[in-house]
Formats: sequence, C-alpha cells, structure tokens
Amino acid sequence: GAVVSQHPSWVICKSGTSVKIECRSLDFQATTMFWYRQFPKQSLMLMATSNEGSKATYEQGVEKDKFLINHASLTLSTLTVTSAHPEDSSFYICSARDRGGTSGRAYNEQFFGPGTRLTVL
Amino acid sequence: GQQVMQIPQYQHVQEGEDFTTYCNSSTTLSNIQWYKQRPGGHPVFLIQLVKSGEVKKQKRLTFQFGEAKKNSSLHITATQTTDVGTYFCAGKNNQGGKLIFGQGTELSVKP
Repeated sequence: GAVVSQHPSWVICKSGTSVKIECRSLDFQATTMFWYRQFPKQSLMLMATSNEGSKATYEQGVEKDKFLINHASLTLSTLTVTSAHPEDSSFYICSARDRGGTSGRAYNEQFFGPGTRLTVL
Repeated sequence: GQQVMQIPQYQHVQEGEDFTTYCNSSTTLSNIQWYKQRPGGHPVFLIQLVKSGEVKKQKRLTFQFGEAKKNSSLHITATQTTDVGTYFCAGKNNQGGKLIFGQGTELSVKP
C-alpha cells in the first residue's frame, strides 16, 4: 500500500508552546489530507480537511486559530498546535487520499500516517 | 449530523471462536470502509464496500454492506491471537465525502 509518514512520532512540550506536525505522502500525490485526533480508547475524530493550495476546512468545534493547517504541496501537510495546553495532549493522525485510483487500491482509499503522540506538560 | 454507531465496544473471545462487529449509520452511505488498529499503532485500511448488499471476503474476514447502505458488519471466523486490535468502520455519505468513524470494537483473543 501507499506510504504516509508523520514527523515527529512523539513530542513532549511545555504548556504555552507551539508544536508542528508534518504529514507526507511518500509515493503518491495527495490533493487532500485529513487530520484526526484520537484520545485513549476512543475513536478517530476528524479535525479538518486539508486541500492543497487552499484553506483547510475545519470541523465544528475545532478552533482554526489554534490548530493551524498548511498544505503547501501535493505531498506535505502540516498541523501546528499553537499555545498548547495539557488538554491538547492526544494522538494526532493524518491521512492522505489517493484520488488517482492507482491499480490495486480502492478509489478514494485513505492511507493513514503512523500518528504523533503529543504530551503537553 | 451524520453519526456512525458501532457495537459492541469490547469483545473478549477464546481463540478459535468467531467474532462480529456491527456498524449502523444514521444516514445512507455512499461507501463504508473498515480499518484495523493494533494497540499503539495507526489505523490500517482493510476494505471498502460500495454496492448495496455487497459481501466481500478476505481469508477469515467477511464484510457485508446492508441493502439500504446504512449498516455493515465484519465477521471473523475462528479468531487467532493475531486478530487482536480495534476494528473501526468508517462511513462516507454523499455530501462532503468525509469519513465518519464508528467508535470501534476492541477485540481481545485469549489463547
């Protein structure tokens, strides 16, 4: 399957600092990437949809000024958690959609990155 | 808004027993996808169902999509310890194309 990488895999930061998480599609172009947040023992909650070259679409209840998303190229999207607080501690997962319908893949199949575990002290 | 409900939340089985998780959507779906997440890992795509009444099999896993395209199930025959993990369904409706995840079913298998 397609490969999506995320960096860093884990980060610990102090309250009030900002953290940037990168999501890259390594072997395909992703015009759309998605950012999810997963708290322990819970499901994935979609935070925002990131479209290359345009503003991200945020889900209801997600503060766009706190979670800055940039999708500057077809293979890279970044999520910046600004002024992080302990309640922002979570597992952040990105996914990239291969819209090309590459042979062997389901059309619109999403490929997930390995996730970034954020701990805010 | 659209909701995707999944039951049960947890399932503990003896190795060799069967396992089923059910997924129900509040709205008609254009397709439904199933993912497996191992402890500490990230979701891994298993399959996508698109057609009404569709049934697909992957070895011991059988996936079904309901006639009304509002429900789905995943059945594992003769579970093995390697089946341990959380299974998520994720539905996509015709508006917006977002994937809405169910709560997941955590499967544990006792050897």
